[in-house]
Formats: sequence, C-alpha cells, structure tokens
Amino acid sequence: QVVLTQSPSASASLGASVKLTCTLSSGHSNYAIAWHQQQPEKGPRYLMKLNSDGSHNKGDGIPDRFSGSSSGAERYLTISSLQSEDEADYYCQTWVTGIQVFGGGTKLTVL
Amino acid sequence: EVHLVESGGGLVQPGGSLRLSCAASGLTVSSNYMSWVRQAPGKGLEWVSLIYSGGRTYYTDSVKGRFTISRDNAKNSMFLQMNRLRAEDTGVYYCARYPAADYWGQGTLVTVSS
Repeated sequence: QVVLTQSPSASASLGASVKLTCTLSSGHSNYAIAWHQQQPEKGPRYLMKLNSDGSHNKGDGIPDRFSGSSSGAERYLTISSLQSEDEADYYCQTWVTGIQVFGGGTKLTVL
Repeated sequence: EVHLVESGGGLVQPGGSLRLSCAASGLTVSSNYMSWVRQAPGKGLEWVSLIYSGGRTYYTDSVKGRFTISRDNAKNSMFLQMNRLRAEDTGVYYCARYPAADYWGQGTLVTVSS
C-alpha cells in the first residue's frame, strides 16, 4: 500500500520561496502525484500533476510561481515570491487501481 | 469550463441515511473516473469511494457495506448513498475526478449527531 508523507508545517517570509516535500513509501518511487492547495475555509484546488521525472502539468490559472520537481521518492512543490494568499494547507495525492491516497498535508504559514 | 456541484448534506442521527449528489457540467461523468473524498473537521483529506467509467466501484474499508456509489448518465450526475451513518462519518464531502483530482466540487457538509 502506497503511503505519502508530508511535514505537518512549514513557514517562510512574504516574498521568499518555500519548498514543500512529499515522500513516497518504499517501492513506489516511480509514482506520479498531484499537489492540491486548500486555503482556509475553502475547498481543495488542484495545482499540478507531477511525474517521477519532474515534468508537471499545472491546472488552469495556476501562477508561474508554483512549480514542481522530483528526486527519487521525493516530490517537491516550490512556491516563489510568496504572497499572503499562499498561506494554506498543501496536500499531495497519488493513486493506484481502485484507490486514491492523500498525504497528511503541510500547513504553510507566510510570515 | 468544468463545474462539479455537490448537494444533499445535512444533519442526521447515528444510524440514519443520506444521499449525496454531484452534478457535473463541462465534463461527462460516464466517460470519466469519479471519486468522493471527505474531510473531517480539522483533519486532512480522505478518499472514500470511486466509480470507473465502466461501472466498477471501490470503497475505503471503513465505509464498505454502508456506502454505495452510483451515477445517472442522463443527469450527468454521481451519487453517494450513505447508510448506517456513524459520528466518524461527519465532515465535508467532495466529489472529484480520478485519478489526479484535477476537478473538485465545493463540498457538502454531513453532520452525524444525536
């Protein structure tokens, strides 16, 4: 069973960059994932699908400040030029036949 | 433009039933794999159920035998029939497209409480 691990929290200053990490469990390092953003009191919003080779497909309207990359079992979401509206929960998610799997989420605080 | 709109949530007593709906526009439900995802208060996202375009269905272990996912092609809608509801089923229920959840609804709140 694939498991996704995320740090519970992260913080960075306004205008700075932050790199969030999602780690795939052993034996699943070739899996693609998706990143989702959930702002306070709102529903999730799809950011991008991220492949094991680092290629990614962003959702409509997602700013260029959001990018993804991969290394081994790690999947990264980098947000540059942080803005106050980037303060949110960020979830990684993957899938196998008949199942969707979510990471526990990272709460990003913009200082 | 794709829109998914959930409805049917509400307050129900433990042991009761609810039927959630997800109405789609800009996307044909019968041609896509669609899922239900829930979020308990203050918690993370949890996958609940999935229906393939061919009709095969899947459920997370905690809802097997109690929840049934289905769709109505004529209405371009998906449903989640929830029976024998428990307090731990409380949360916001979202419909989303599988596998990458690239489209989400706004959610509908289910509260199971006496």
